[in-house]
Amino acid sequence: AQKVTQAQTEISVVEKEDVTLDCVYETRDTTYYLFWYKQPPSGELVFLIRRNSFDEQNEISGRYSWNFQKSTSSFNFTITASQVVDSAVYFCALSDYTGNQFYFGTGTSLTVIP
Amino acid sequence: EAQVTQNPRYLITVTGKKLTVTCSQNMNHEYMSWYRQDPGLGLRQIYYSMNVEVTDKGDVPEGYKVSRKEKRNFPLILESPSPNQTSLYFCASSPHFGEKLFFGSGTQLSVL
Repeated sequence: AQKVTQAQTEISVVEKEDVTLDCVYETRDTTYYLFWYKQPPSGELVFLIRRNSFDEQNEISGRYSWNFQKSTSSFNFTITASQVVDSAVYFCALSDYTGNQFYFGTGTSLTVIP
Repeated sequence: EAQVTQNPRYLITVTGKKLTVTCSQNMNHEYMSWYRQDPGLGLRQIYYSMNVEVTDKGDVPEGYKVSRKEKRNFPLILESPSPNQTSLYFCASSPHFGEKLFFGSGTQLSVL
């Protein structure tokens, strides 16, 4: 069975602090896809990143970085020098080898305090 | 503008009264899917469609129907809504399976 666990329900940080959002996944597939989405207070879902299971390279995009480790089945997301605009709910998601079924974590609510 | 459009944005109805939430995309995407978002449960997939006339169940399909008669449209049908279907619903599309999802703005449904 496929499963995504985001153990951190809520996190609060002070502006300019770094913060890491954890994501642990379970799958028996060798081919799968991992995603992060952001849901700001306005409610829309914004795509952040996609990774396939064969690409373990870490990625950096501005203040955002992602650490994919197959050995620990984790796909963690770090925000460096957090800003108030980063306040949102962040979802990690897994798509199975068919790419058709998606499994989302329960989300981590991040509050950045000015 | 490339987008996924859901209607209505808000809907209040009563138990048992059939309703349809529409979803349309203008990006010629093959793949479309529906999700419900509930507090503490994240998003859960209801149904998905790989192409016209091809649909399949997600994790929580009970009480829902879908159809994909045209590539751009993927309506969600609740034939006899119940209060436990009160939720925030999202439609999404992507060019092909396994690619990033483009989400609609959501439909907040309340079943009384």
